[in-house]
Amino acid sequence: NAGVTQTPKFRILKIGQSMTLQCTQDMNHNYMYWYRQDPGMGLKLIYYSVGAGITDKGEVPNGYNVSRSTTEDFPLRLELAAPSQTSVYFCASTLSLGANVLTFGAGSRLTVL
Amino acid sequence: GESVGLHLPTLSVQEGDNSIINCAYSNSASDYFIWYKQESGKGPQFIIDIRSNMDKRQGQRVTVLLNKTVKHLSLQIAATQPGDSAVYFCAENLSGTYKYIFGTGTRLKVLA
Repeated sequence: NAGVTQTPKFRILKIGQSMTLQCTQDMNHNYMYWYRQDPGMGLKLIYYSVGAGITDKGEVPNGYNVSRSTTEDFPLRLELAAPSQTSVYFCASTLSLGANVLTFGAGSRLTVL
Repeated sequence: GESVGLHLPTLSVQEGDNSIINCAYSNSASDYFIWYKQESGKGPQFIIDIRSNMDKRQGQRVTVLLNKTVKHLSLQIAATQPGDSAVYFCAENLSGTYKYIFGTGTRLKVLA
């Protein structure tokens, strides 16, 4: 049982490049989330998904896209990377909305130069 | 991993002492609360949770206290060890909703 797995762990992008951050979970969780973490700030929600085929925007969705074709996978795509997207990205999942713990991946550190 | 928590409040405690980390939450309707530990370069790890129908919950070496009147949570760590050094933050949730609100965190430094 690996939990939530994120790849890559580190990536440097040039301005205008695109990339996909991968997230997969093996806990059969329905709800999956992408957050970004900036220094001195609480985690900010980018996108979330309540199940396969269903996604919705969080607080800071601009510049990102997601898809949820399976229960296990929830990739986050950055189109036209900008320096403001330099951050640490965390994927998380939870089974249901009934007072359940969010389980986090180890994070992906992205630098846009 | 040091960029996370660069400007956070820091609590320094001697090894073996007890630590108390505080968190003010924002939504009076929140009814579920979680404490996470985040070590440098790693993802947040669950420590303990509490529902709003409780004032106190104990785990192994950790206790969470909830004061709904003033919207305040605290995490007490007994006999603090070097391995406890990390950033600790709280999360609040209204159960049945997707949204979790996260605090900015406190850095705990354990002095030998």
